[in-house]
Amino acid sequence: GAVVSQHPSRVICKSGTSVKIECRSLDFQATTMFWYRQFPKKSLMLMATSNEGSKATYEQGVEKDKFLINHASLTLSTLTVTSAHPEDSSFYICSARAGGTSAQNEQFFGPGTRLTVL
Amino acid sequence: SQQGEEDPQALSIQEGENATMNCSYKTSINNLQWYRQNSGRGLVHLILIRSNEREKHSGRLRVTLDTSKKSSSLLITASRAADTASYFCATVPTSGTYKYIFGTGTRLKVLA
Repeated sequence: GAVVSQHPSRVICKSGTSVKIECRSLDFQATTMFWYRQFPKKSLMLMATSNEGSKATYEQGVEKDKFLINHASLTLSTLTVTSAHPEDSSFYICSARAGGTSAQNEQFFGPGTRLTVL
Repeated sequence: SQQGEEDPQALSIQEGENATMNCSYKTSINNLQWYRQNSGRGLVHLILIRSNEREKHSGRLRVTLDTSKKSSSLLITASRAADTASYFCATVPTSGTYKYIFGTGTRLKVLA
């Protein structure tokens, strides 16, 4: 149980285009999903937190208009990188949290999406 | 930045040796988790230790937590080549936001 998928796993696009990445919780309902970005040989940096049915909360320094997040259902969140540029090339990882007040607050991570902008 | 620090940044050992990596964090936490990440792949959850626990074992893994020093260590005993990966700690602060704060990571290389 607790499987999170991401699609696509890899995407290559031209500079100026927009790219959509999907994150799905396959066997549970995710009240909260998180989007992370990881540069080569670096750690994961939280970009934003999205709650189903409400606007995402972005971390300081993350451009809201650049990285559009939609959490339209309890099993799907999407990250759209708008007008992508080579510096947006990175590994994007999502995670999903089932909700409740568990002190463990466990998040389940997707396998990641490698974005390369030419 | 709230990001935790891990040391060493990189570690290279021979197969069969033990590997120890350390994580320090900055805020009060509910729990701390360790993850493994193979190159270019997603995260694999290794172990979770709660703030009221001091030590936890899982197979060849041993995790300690010292909340007074805001630090944790991960020990991998009898390492194997397949343990070659990056290892990250992630803390869950008590602030109630459910966010994970990841450490900077340790790149472990186990030589056969």
